[in-house]
Amino acid sequence: DADVTQTPRNRITKTGKRIMLECSQTKGHDRMYWYRQDPGLGLRLIYYSFDVKDINKGEISDGYSVSRQAQAKFSLSLESAIPNQTALYFCATRTGPTYNEQFFGPGTRLTVL
Amino acid sequence: DQQVKQNSPSLSVQEGRISILNCDYTNSMFDYFLWYKKYPAEGPTFLISISSIKDKNEDGRFTVFLNKSAKHLSLHIVPSQPGDSAVYFCAASWTGKLIFGQGTELSVKP
Repeated sequence: DADVTQTPRNRITKTGKRIMLECSQTKGHDRMYWYRQDPGLGLRLIYYSFDVKDINKGEISDGYSVSRQAQAKFSLSLESAIPNQTALYFCATRTGPTYNEQFFGPGTRLTVL
Repeated sequence: DQQVKQNSPSLSVQEGRISILNCDYTNSMFDYFLWYKKYPAEGPTFLISISSIKDKNEDGRFTVFLNKSAKHLSLHIVPSQPGDSAVYFCAASWTGKLIFGQGTELSVKP
């Protein structure tokens, strides 16, 4: 089984709908991250969490919210989806301050019509 | 303002030759640099990293070089193989976060 899983893998929705993307990990890592990938822009950080009680905005948090329900679960919500939120979304985890490597999930392809 | 830049969107190399992927950064506070590889329909996977206090790190066919004075790092793949064809992202670490470049798509032709 994969260490970092994301659901759904693909989603098509309409403008104005509320969408939740879920991330679960079995690595036992404290730190979790949400990124979006757009062509030509690389991966940009949306939100991150260093533990269950810690939530921080990233580079592009407007229009998004997150919930850290447990150490293993970190959800990303689009309160009212708009077409320019069409992108690939990745969740990642990291063990702690000593190691810099982040482990990524397989991604969710979101299309907002 | 893009703090980490990969100025070449694509690179094509013949199998067996060297692939050199480049990355420039602007923030001298970055303490670690990483390279990730991404295949279509998959998440990025970690490839190799280097601390800001080093100038070279090697792992098999992959070597990363860091030139702090020029704020430049590069990834060398020798010899290149068709299975290396993927998008490569460089990333810089700072305050527990990673800042990614735009990516370079490497195509290794048989």
